[in-house]
Amino acid sequence: GIQVEQSPPDLILQEGANSTLRCNFSDSVNNLQWFHQNPWGQLINLFYIPSGTKQNGRLSATTVATERYSLLYISSSQTTDSGVYFCAVDGSGNTGKLIFGQGTTLQVKP
Amino acid sequence: NAGVTQTPKFRVLKTGQSMTLLCAQDMNHEYMYWYRQDPGMGLRLIHYSVGEGTTAKGEVPDGYNVSRLKKQNFLLGLESAAPSQTSVYFCASSYDWRYGETQYFGPGTRLLVL
Repeated sequence: GIQVEQSPPDLILQEGANSTLRCNFSDSVNNLQWFHQNPWGQLINLFYIPSGTKQNGRLSATTVATERYSLLYISSSQTTDSGVYFCAVDGSGNTGKLIFGQGTTLQVKP
Repeated sequence: NAGVTQTPKFRVLKTGQSMTLLCAQDMNHEYMYWYRQDPGMGLRLIHYSVGEGTTAKGEVPDGYNVSRLKKQNFLLGLESAAPSQTSVYFCASSYDWRYGETQYFGPGTRLLVL
């Protein structure tokens, strides 16, 4: 099956710093999403981005489908950005069967 | 509009006991999913449904059963709980994944099997 690898596994930032999270996947995918899991466990969808670039406030994401990777950019990080960031892909033909990466744990220090 | 809700929030079971987790959504979504999340790992799909009356196996279906008798509800059953099923269970729903609809997640159910 399709493999999803995220890097780095852990990241510690000072408030105000920028960061880039990476997601590599082993096969072509129909869909790709980025999620944020906050410290209370709630999963929030950040981007649906099978290809191209999207921006939402301080967050942006780019997926290069031909090279099988996606990047999540966080600018001017805030303590509320702390948590785990997951990349998830669907390679099954649009059934929504997401395969999740292991996640990147981000800690933003004040 | 409550979104996706899960019942219960937390449960402790003894090995061999059975239980049912309830997921409900009020967004008229067609697709519903059950995932489990183990410590330090991403989510893994247990079962999913593409519409009322349908169910299908995901990545880790063994030991679980599901039913979708009503469009808004998706039930996950454990017939004989095992310690390996200790996990956090998340339900999700989406309108129609074929058109890129994002998945919306419930708050999770924490299950401990002793």
